[in-house]
Amino acid sequence: GNSVTQMEGPVTLSEEAFLTINCTYTATGYPSLFWYVQYPGEGLQLLLKATKADDKGSNKGFEATYRKETTSFHLEKGSVQVSDSAVYFCALSDAVLTFGGGTRLMVKP
Amino acid sequence: EAQVTQNPRYLITVTGKKLTVTCSQNMNHEYMSWYRQDPGLGLRQIYYSMNVEVTDKGDVPEGYKVSRKEKRNFPLILESPSPNQTSLYFCASSRGDNSPLHFGNGTRLTVT
Repeated sequence: GNSVTQMEGPVTLSEEAFLTINCTYTATGYPSLFWYVQYPGEGLQLLLKATKADDKGSNKGFEATYRKETTSFHLEKGSVQVSDSAVYFCALSDAVLTFGGGTRLMVKP
Repeated sequence: EAQVTQNPRYLITVTGKKLTVTCSQNMNHEYMSWYRQDPGLGLRQIYYSMNVEVTDKGDVPEGYKVSRKEKRNFPLILESPSPNQTSLYFCASSRGDNSPLHFGNGTRLTVT
């Protein structure tokens, strides 16, 4: 079956640091890939998505590139802010949506 | 405003007392789903529905029921709650076809 593996957190960074959260997947088909973000006390929100190989999804300064050869969809941001502190979920959709375990990001001033 | 609305936000109950968590979406979405979120376990799917009167089990359906009599509503029913169902529950909806999910704000359930 399909699966998504994310790096375990928490990830703690200082403001303006570079962020990478790793995500790899296994899938039998050609899934769409997503990053969702969950701010404290809220539900998940779509952050970005990519629907085919080599697509780059981007939003709010975050980026992720769909790499079929390495089955990866790593999330990056060049300069994080305190307001980016949240839990980030990688997910794939191939008729059924499969989530990774989530990575908590804490950004300190 | 397009949204998924869950109620209640917080619920404390006792073992064995039937409860229902409601979920409603105003986006005319075909697909709806329930998840539970637990520390260290991420999000696990309980049940989902591809359309009215069509429901299917997710990864952790035991102890839960759902119904989809109308397109907009997808209530989660716990006939006899137990302490291991203490969790944070999320309802979500989408158009289907790998389109992104829209989530409600969650229901924190405590069963004593």
